[in-house]
Amino acid sequence: GAVVSQHPSWVICKSGTSVKIECRSLDFQATTMFWYRQFPKQSLMLMATSNEGSKATYEQGVEKDKFLINHASLTLSTLTVTSAHPEDSSFYICSAGGQINIQYFGAGTRLSVL
Amino acid sequence: DAKTTQPTSMDCAEGRAANLPCNHSTISGNEYVYWYRQIHSQGPQYIIHGLKNNETNEMASLIITEDRKSSTLILPHATLRDTAVYYCMMIYNQGGKLIFGQGTELSVKP
Repeated sequence: GAVVSQHPSWVICKSGTSVKIECRSLDFQATTMFWYRQFPKQSLMLMATSNEGSKATYEQGVEKDKFLINHASLTLSTLTVTSAHPEDSSFYICSAGGQINIQYFGAGTRLSVL
Repeated sequence: DAKTTQPTSMDCAEGRAANLPCNHSTISGNEYVYWYRQIHSQGPQYIIHGLKNNETNEMASLIITEDRKSSTLILPHATLRDTAVYYCMMIYNQGGKLIFGQGTELSVKP
């Protein structure tokens, strides 16, 4: 099946620094990728839709200047959490769209901001 | 927006069939039903999808009612590794977005 790689799987950073998370589709091309965040014991919340070669589409309430998304190629999308603060600590998950709207998910990145 | 309703939690004995229901009474004619699951602290995993007919793959079976207002995911012989949160969803508009509800937390017990 289709594989999506997400890196890093776990990151700890100091408050005020920026963190970049990569999402790669390894064996297929994805014009569309999605970014989610998940707090403990809660469901996934869609943050944004990442479109190759164009600007990302953000969900209501998600700060686009806070969460920078770049989708420069058909196999790579990145999410940068800028000036991270403790409230940004969460589990971030990406997915890439395959055939018939099936999405394949990365393993997630656990971000802890001190 | 098509919404889904699932029980919050279910238990199943190891080796028995797990039947997970989902109501989607507002589904439109061209919307597929998708099932995913999320094992603790991992990314969600695609299981199966269907439009009208029942579907089966190596992981599960999907039974969709004739009026398409509900469906049931069947894990024929549940194992401990099937313990996870199971999500039933429809595609949001045509943009491919998945909107996750709360899902059903399935606990498979020895």
